[in-house]
Amino acid sequence: SQQGEEDPQALSIQEGENATMNCSYKTSINNLQWYRQNSGRGLVHLILIRSNEREKHSGRLRVTLDTSKKSSSLLITASRAADTASYFCATDFTGANNLFFGTGTRLTVIP
Amino acid sequence: DAMVIQNPRYQVTQFGKPVTLSCSQTLNHNVMYWYQQKSSQAPKLLFHYYDKDFNNEADTPDNFQSRRPNTSFCFLDIRSPGLGDAAMYLCATSSKGQGAYEQYFGPGTRLTVT
Repeated sequence: SQQGEEDPQALSIQEGENATMNCSYKTSINNLQWYRQNSGRGLVHLILIRSNEREKHSGRLRVTLDTSKKSSSLLITASRAADTASYFCATDFTGANNLFFGTGTRLTVIP
Repeated sequence: DAMVIQNPRYQVTQFGKPVTLSCSQTLNHNVMYWYQQKSSQAPKLLFHYYDKDFNNEADTPDNFQSRRPNTSFCFLDIRSPGLGDAAMYLCATSSKGQGAYEQYFGPGTRLTVT
């Protein structure tokens, strides 16, 4: 399977703390994307990092990519209760025309 | 606002009774996708249209069909729903198909099969 694996499956933190989620994948990629999904809703694109990039920031989000380890991490700083959601990584594998979604991390931020 | 719209948001159908889910977009994107997502799982791609070209995933059951009559609309037809087809169905669009780009998702249709 080309599906990515995310770690941890679930994460519970206090408001104001940082949250880190990890994604591992198996083959060469063109880019890696992170999406957020609120319960019972569609996915929302957060950030895209290309294979030749190592780090990218967007507001309170920081994404890193290590292609040698085939892994990425998403850091959410100063978390808020509204950040409670599931977070998915999605990879665009070399030679594929579609995204392959990881298994997701369920984040709960406790007010 | 440009967006992806899915109707209905909730659909209940009977076992074996055909059902159609609809998706429309105002983004003028040339690629449209249909995903199936079961509880606590990753979205699973069923098929996608690159313009008018239909691309079926190898493991998508024959029970699932799709139509794209024009750029804006795409339909998912489930010919004989089984209990195992109960899921959230997500429609998404992107502006290109050669290499994956950011995808824009609709809110989803939750299908219940009784």
